[in-house]
Amino acid sequence: QKEVEQDPGPLSVPEGAIVSLNCTYSNSAFQYFMWYRQYSRKGPELLMYTYSSGNKEDGRFTAQVDKSSKYISLFIRDSQPSDSATYLCAMREQGGSEKLVFGKGTKLTVNP
Amino acid sequence: GAVVSQHPSRVICKSGTSVKIECRSLDFQATTMFWYRQFPKQSLMLMATSNEGSKATYEQGVEKDKFLINHASLTLSTLTVTSAHPEDSSFYICSATRLDLDQFFGPGTRLTVL
Repeated sequence: QKEVEQDPGPLSVPEGAIVSLNCTYSNSAFQYFMWYRQYSRKGPELLMYTYSSGNKEDGRFTAQVDKSSKYISLFIRDSQPSDSATYLCAMREQGGSEKLVFGKGTKLTVNP
Repeated sequence: GAVVSQHPSRVICKSGTSVKIECRSLDFQATTMFWYRQFPKQSLMLMATSNEGSKATYEQGVEKDKFLINHASLTLSTLTVTSAHPEDSSFYICSATRLDLDQFFGPGTRLTVL
């Protein structure tokens, strides 16, 4: 079992839809959870960052962490064509290594 | 803030030559820098972790003599692909962490070896 599992999609939705992206993980030591957005041929861009469990909202984006289920989500409200990208979840343990463990990424297309 | 640059953005070279890629944190001092490679439609694969003034730590399976990393300062790390071959063609991405441990990525360098 990989440390972080993420459905690669692709996921295609109409403009204005609510998008739900998810990752599961197996390492209970993970405490920091990130979502990155990567446009084609570009480096990943940090979107959301959450420590431990709970929700975090930033504009149209909401990140949720459920440590009891080892499950994290990213919701995108009122999705726009400009949201079309690959979304990568990433996580790391508290203390020790700063290395991130990434999911495979989910390719999202928002159709106008 | 938190901008990471990479140079060059794209390089094409002949087989057997060496290629150097620079990674700079422009507006912060990076405690650690990381080098990744990414093949088409795949996720990021960590190659090595680099700290200023010390030897890089390479991930299992990554040849340290082929992928030379130099971390000259708190804002600059370089990756040199020595004697490059077509199988080294890939998208190379660096990242840098701030003191708060947020990790920011460069725009990537696309290497094509003919």
